[in-house]
Amino acid sequence: EADIYQTPRYLVIGTGKKITLECSQTMGHDKMYWYQQDPGMELHLIHYSYGVNSTEKGDLSSESTVSRIRTEHFPLTLESARPSHTSQYLCASSDPGLAGGQRYQETQYFGPGTRLLVL
Amino acid sequence: LAKTTQPISMDSYEGQEVNITCSHNNIATNDYITWYQQFPSQGPRFIIQGYKTKVTNEVASLFIPADRKSSTLSLPRVSLSDTAVYYCLVGDTGSARQLTFGSGTQLTVLP
Repeated sequence: EADIYQTPRYLVIGTGKKITLECSQTMGHDKMYWYQQDPGMELHLIHYSYGVNSTEKGDLSSESTVSRIRTEHFPLTLESARPSHTSQYLCASSDPGLAGGQRYQETQYFGPGTRLLVL
Repeated sequence: LAKTTQPISMDSYEGQEVNITCSHNNIATNDYITWYQQFPSQGPRFIIQGYKTKVTNEVASLFIPADRKSSTLSLPRVSLSDTAVYYCLVGDTGSARQLTFGSGTQLTVLP
């Protein structure tokens, strides 16, 4: 089983508050991702990182920001939460996609998610 | 990026074999095919990956025909706990950043 953790699992917060969603992995993976998913809907990539001090925005525009100061840690921050930010946020990391000198498609390991409700 | 097409939903009964087919007509030479499973309120979980022919692991089999324009995930003897959304992803050996989770197939296993 993959070792990737997200906290909190559930968060209810008022509009205008600053929040940080935590994501940590103990697998030493360089690549990490944040996805946003509404119930019954597709996953949308909002941020990714290829290593320390590397962060990029994903396909879905998001008002959140991320940082990658340590390999194992990839927190996501919302400076001022709004009801439109209500969603599930999923963090993932991927393995190097290399075994025995052979390349394969990287496997992503997902955390349990944070369900955010902004009132 | 290769686009994938899957059925939106499927129903099955406990103990039956379930086959979910994914179409990927514009798959590229270097692309692999990967399937993930997602339960409600959880992140997706890797099931199986293949490039051609047949791949089998302890939970599923993946059948890929010679032209690789489609693939079939086979779940033997499903149980109620296999009710989940199943995603088919196609991409090359580059970063998982290039992969897109589509709508997936909602499999419902009935008693």
